[in-house]
Amino acid sequence: ELKVEQNPLFLSMQEGKNYTIYCNYSTTSDRLYWYRQDPGKSLESLFVLLSNGAVKQEGRLMASLDTKARLSTLHITAAVHDLSATYFCAVDYGGATNKLIFGTGTLLAVQP
Amino acid sequence: NAGVMQNPRHLVRRRGQEARLRCSPMKGHSHVYWYRQLPEEGLKFMVYLQKENIIDESGMPKERFSAEFPKEGPSILRIQQVVRGDSAAYFCASSKLVAGLVDQPQHFGDGTRLSIL
Repeated sequence: ELKVEQNPLFLSMQEGKNYTIYCNYSTTSDRLYWYRQDPGKSLESLFVLLSNGAVKQEGRLMASLDTKARLSTLHITAAVHDLSATYFCAVDYGGATNKLIFGTGTLLAVQP
Repeated sequence: NAGVMQNPRHLVRRRGQEARLRCSPMKGHSHVYWYRQLPEEGLKFMVYLQKENIIDESGMPKERFSAEFPKEGPSILRIQQVVRGDSAAYFCASSKLVAGLVDQPQHFGDGTRLSIL
């Protein structure tokens, strides 16, 4: 059974600081996704990572994937308050179903 | 250029009633997924459907829950005889799975918040 774990579960950081969210998964997978969710809202797709060594960047966020270690990271550079949200990684179960197995989420609170 | 449309946004039911949640996928998408999110938790997969077919229902509770995606009209998630534990946010996602287009993420609707009194 595919399991996805994120840490930390909660992250409080000051504006201007850097930090990394980690996503570990238990079995091989071809695709990993990062989503952002604001309170009471839907999920917004941030990154799609398809191959070992993939790195994608958008603004202050950068995501990477190491399929051998079964690890993805979401790095936040010089955080700003607008980045406050819950971040989920999700791993594609693969096969014929393509269902996503979500991590527990990381609640990020950026303090001014 | 509408995204995934879900309705209603909020639904209140009393124990024992039926809940019907609707989802219209993005234009051009023929694959629909339903997920449930309990408070303070991540999303849990429930069911994956294509038009007129259930492909994977491994996440659906064995009783009271059913899903369909008819040839015409939205996908429906139906919960019969609701109980307090059914209170959650139910999200629908759609995707366009075409051979070779493996980099397409699932696009999510705004969800239906179901509250059971």
